[in-house]
Amino acid sequence: SFVLTQPPSVSVAPGKTARITCGGNNIGSKSVHWYQQRPGQAPVVVVYDDSDRPSGIPERFSGSNSGNTATLTISRVEAGDEADYYCQVCDSRSDHYVFGTGTKVTVL
Amino acid sequence: QVQLQESGPGLVKPSETLSLTCTVSGGSVGSGNYFWSWIRQPPGKGLEWIGYIFYNASSNFNPSLKSRVTISVDTSKNQFSLMLTSVAAADTAVYYCARGRFGSNYFDPWGQGTLVTVST
Repeated sequence: SFVLTQPPSVSVAPGKTARITCGGNNIGSKSVHWYQQRPGQAPVVVVYDDSDRPSGIPERFSGSNSGNTATLTISRVEAGDEADYYCQVCDSRSDHYVFGTGTKVTVL
Repeated sequence: QVQLQESGPGLVKPSETLSLTCTVSGGSVGSGNYFWSWIRQPPGKGLEWIGYIFYNASSNFNPSLKSRVTISVDTSKNQFSLMLTSVAAADTAVYYCARGRFGSNYFDPWGQGTLVTVST
């Protein structure tokens, strides 16, 4: 099955930029979606289809996807961005859904 | 807006069957634009997709769970359900229901989640 690898943790100072990677074999050929999960809460999609934002998600959240790596970028990081972030794809050959291993973002 | 709410027992004995229901409000499980999924998260761990069902009962499951999972849909009650047989401690998790959007294949919205503990 398709495997998505994320760094376990990313630390960033307030106001700086956080970049979270999601690695997978030729992931650039798939649509990647990103979820934010605050402690004790359900995940919420923050980026879908590589780089689109749902309504209500700040422009500070952006995404890109090419080759073997997709990236979620959080600009001007705020304390409220501290959460776990997961990437997700659909393996079109099997129609199975796969989540990345998750990255904990800590705001220093 | 669409809201999802999980319900079911919070404690299940080993070897028994876990049963959960997701009630959808503000939208219809009969919509052909969406599919309806179950996703779980063991305590302190990551997300695992369990499976999905479409309004016409077509479904697909995670290969690692396929032999133990049944997902059904009841359009008259606007609900869909999960059954997981022969549970063990490793099945202890927060179980989420979520709506999937065909075409884009992402999950939105999610239910709040319900913790199911497998223990004697």
